[in-house]
Amino acid sequence: AQSVSQHNHHVILSEAASLELGCNYSYGGTVNLFWYVQYPGQHLQLLLKYFSGDPLVKGIKGFEAEFIKSKFSFNLRKPSVQWSDTAEYFCAVKQASGSARQLTFGSGTQLTVLP
Amino acid sequence: EPEVTQTPSHQVTQMGQEVILRCVPISNHLYFYWYRQILGQKVEFLVSFYNNEISEKSEIFDDQFSVERPDGSNFTLKIRSTKLEDSAMYFCASTLENIQYFGAGTRLSVL
Repeated sequence: AQSVSQHNHHVILSEAASLELGCNYSYGGTVNLFWYVQYPGQHLQLLLKYFSGDPLVKGIKGFEAEFIKSKFSFNLRKPSVQWSDTAEYFCAVKQASGSARQLTFGSGTQLTVLP
Repeated sequence: EPEVTQTPSHQVTQMGQEVILRCVPISNHLYFYWYRQILGQKVEFLVSFYNNEISEKSEIFDDQFSVERPDGSNFTLKIRSTKLEDSAMYFCASTLENIQYFGAGTRLSVL
């Protein structure tokens, strides 16, 4: 079974600071990787995904993530955060093949951006 | 943009009571899921549903839980006899092209 670790539980940044949120997974096979964001009172929203190809993927709102297969990592980055990025961020993994389609989530990282 | 909708947003119930959480997946999606998140813990998979039957379920999804698609639009999660430890946020999701779209969740509080 796969598992996902997000090592930062709460990150506090000032506006314009750069962001990097760590995500590591454990699974022996091929995976699909996701970052979701949850703004207060709203649904989980897909930020970006990696299925195959270029390991550097770009998502919405200026976010990007890099898949490093040798490190089993899929870290989320943004060069300059805004106050509106305050939210909880979840990394998730899914087996790329086979019948299991469910997502396995990390514990989430609460990002607070100070104006 | 189409959304997964969940009702109610907050459900309070007494221990031992039955609850039904409702979800309307996005209309052309084929796979449906329930997840839950106990306060302070990870979002955990409960069950997936395809072609009117359960396709995967976790060890959490015991005999107290059931899912149903009673008509062409709704997807429900029933908990037969709620326990205190069922208190959590319950998320519904539906899938198109390997991407899961989530509802805003139902917060279930068992007293």
